[in-house]
Amino acid sequence: DAGITQSPRHKVTETGTPVTLRCHQTENHRYMYWYRQDPGHGLRLIHYSYGVKDTDKGEVSDGYSVSRSKTEDFLLTLESATSSQTSVYFCAISDPPGRTYEQYFGPGTRLTVT
Amino acid sequence: DAKTTQPPSMDCAEGRAANLPCNHSTISGNEYVYWYRQIHSQGPQYIIHGLKNNETNEMASLIITEDRKSSTLILPHATLRDTAVYYCIVSGAGGTSYGKLTFGQGTILTVHP
Repeated sequence: DAGITQSPRHKVTETGTPVTLRCHQTENHRYMYWYRQDPGHGLRLIHYSYGVKDTDKGEVSDGYSVSRSKTEDFLLTLESATSSQTSVYFCAISDPPGRTYEQYFGPGTRLTVT
Repeated sequence: DAKTTQPPSMDCAEGRAANLPCNHSTISGNEYVYWYRQIHSQGPQYIIHGLKNNETNEMASLIITEDRKSSTLILPHATLRDTAVYYCIVSGAGGTSYGKLTFGQGTILTVHP
């Protein structure tokens, strides 16, 4: 299994509070991604990174920001959490040897915003 | 990226081959077909990918039709641990796609004893 950890694994927070989720990899992969998974929507891309300090928006980026100051860490921040951000968050990594981007996923973080 | 269509659910007997179909009629020439699966609440797991040739690895085989408008993932000897949601995804390679994946609803495969 790819060396990907996510912390925390579970978090309950109140509406309006800031929350930061961390994804840590030991594979030295260049690309990192944050997805959220909700019933009826499957996985949706929030933000991704294609190198240190290089990030871009995904499909559902509103209300989220990211930072990547080191290859191994990709942080997802909810500046002011809302109940609609209750979800399971997955981090993924990829390091295409050629032209393809197989992604390897972390175990997920279950976030509940009350 | 091209859209994919998969049956919502399938059943398979343990020990038999599981053949999961996927339609991707709008696939373009530089797009790859990827298969992932998600077991219960775990993170998705990469299975296999292909462009136009059939591919095989230790987990599965991928058969892509000559016109590339559909594909089939084959699990040759399904086990109870293969019960999962299987996602067929079409995605570009290289350039600015950065490997972004668009997950649909997938196929729920249930393997029965």
